Amino acid sequence: GAVVSQHPSRVICKSGTSVKIECRSLDFQATTMFWYRQFPKQSLMLMATSNEGSKATYEQGVEKDKFLINHASLTLSTLTVTSAHPEDSSFYICSARDGQPYNEQFFGPGTRLTVL
Amino acid sequence: AQKVTQAQTEISVVEKEDVTLDCVYETRDTTYYLFWYKQPPSGELVFLIRRNSFDEQNEISGRYSWNFQKSTSSFNFTITASQVVDSAVYFCALSERPYNTDKLIFGTGTRLQVFP
Repeated sequence: GAVVSQHPSRVICKSGTSVKIECRSLDFQATTMFWYRQFPKQSLMLMATSNEGSKATYEQGVEKDKFLINHASLTLSTLTVTSAHPEDSSFYICSARDGQPYNEQFFGPGTRLTVL
Repeated sequence: AQKVTQAQTEISVVEKEDVTLDCVYETRDTTYYLFWYKQPPSGELVFLIRRNSFDEQNEISGRYSWNFQKSTSSFNFTITASQVVDSAVYFCALSERPYNTDKLIFGTGTRLQVFP
C-alpha cells in the first residue's frame, strides 16, 4: 500500500507553546488528507478533512483556531496545535487519499503529543 | 445515525487458539463500506480489509477471515491459529457516505492479547 509519514513521532512541550505536526504522502499525490485524534485506549475521532489548496473542513466541536490545518501541496499537510494545554495531550494520526472519493485512506504512524 | 459497536473491549487467548472479533454497525445508507484495521503497539493503523455493502461473500486471507452478514448488520473478523504477533487493537469502521471513504466512523476497538 501507499506510505504516509508523520513528523515528529513524539513531542513534549510546555503549556502555552504551539506545536506543528507534519503529514506527508511519500509515493502518491494526496488530494485529501485527514486528521484524527485518539485518546488513550479510545477510538479515533476525525478532527478535520483538508483538500489541497482549500480550507480545511472541521468536525463539530473541533476548534479551528486551536487546530490550524494547512494543506499547501499534494504531498504535505500540517496540523498546528496553538497554545497547547495539557488537555491537548493525545495521539494525533493523519491519513491521506488520492483524488478518488471511494479509495481507501492510508494512515500515518501517528504523533504522540504530551503537553506539560 | 451511523454507528459501529465493538462490544468486546479486551480478549485474551493462548497461541494457536482461534478468536473472533465482533463488529455490529448501524447505517441508514444502502451503499456503504466496512473496514477492519489493526493498530499494533507502535500505533500505526494497518489496513486489513474493505468490504462493499453489495458484496456479502465471506473473505479469507491466510489466517484471517471475515464474515459479513447484512441481515444482522455484522462484520465479524476471525483469526485462526492466533500468534503472539497478532496482539494489537483491532478497529472496525464504517464509511458514512456511499462511494466515499471520507468520513470513517470507528468502533471503540477490541484489544487482543495473544499469550505464548
